[in-house]
Amino acid sequence: EEQLVESGGGLVHPGGSLRLSCAASGFTFSDCDINWVRQAPGKGLEWISFISANSRAIYDADSLKGRFTISRDNAKNSLYLQMNSLRAEDTAVYYCARVVDWNFDLWGRGTLVTVSS
Amino acid sequence: QAVLTQPSSLSASPGASASLTCTLRSGVNVGTYRIYWYQQKPGSPPQYLLRYKAESDKQQGSGVPSRFSGFKDATANAGILVISGLQSEDEADYYCMIWHNNNWVFGGGTKLTVL
Repeated sequence: EEQLVESGGGLVHPGGSLRLSCAASGFTFSDCDINWVRQAPGKGLEWISFISANSRAIYDADSLKGRFTISRDNAKNSLYLQMNSLRAEDTAVYYCARVVDWNFDLWGRGTLVTVSS
Repeated sequence: QAVLTQPSSLSASPGASASLTCTLRSGVNVGTYRIYWYQQKPGSPPQYLLRYKAESDKQQGSGVPSRFSGFKDATANAGILVISGLQSEDEADYYCMIWHNNNWVFGGGTKLTVL
């Protein structure tokens, strides 16, 4: 079964850092482009970042540049999101989503990040 | 002004059709873009429904019923998701999305109520 499983969420103080992971299984991870998308409680979807299969292309949301960094390790079938200088407004469920033919065709169930003092 | 604007809510009756609009900001020409549509039910991640640019460039998601279809209204500068033969299971949030200036951009979402 094709699957994406996010982890690494939790409670963090404002100004703190967190590293999220997304573990892929059931498909050839190294062939796939991947995104991070987040959703604040009760709010809509917000795209965060994109990384191509070979990591040569990375795109970040203009509003988040400089604080969040996407990366991947194809040998470990894993995607990462390093989040720094976290703010209360970064509180959200963070999803990883596979891209196939430009479609976000497979999503994980998400990991909740709460930024609070 | 947001790049993509969706009405926050829409209600329709079972068996009827619902048209969900996704209006592009002035200066962002709908004719240029593929419009992607996603459905999200409470407690679940979004699911890809379909994409539509033109009749010659459209795609239905795997397993997505033909009751879901995409269109454009060039006059309104909008993408439209039409759901025909509404069923209770169609009650969900619906999001449109485009690739714009090297960013994926989501609309704010429409909560569809079937009652």
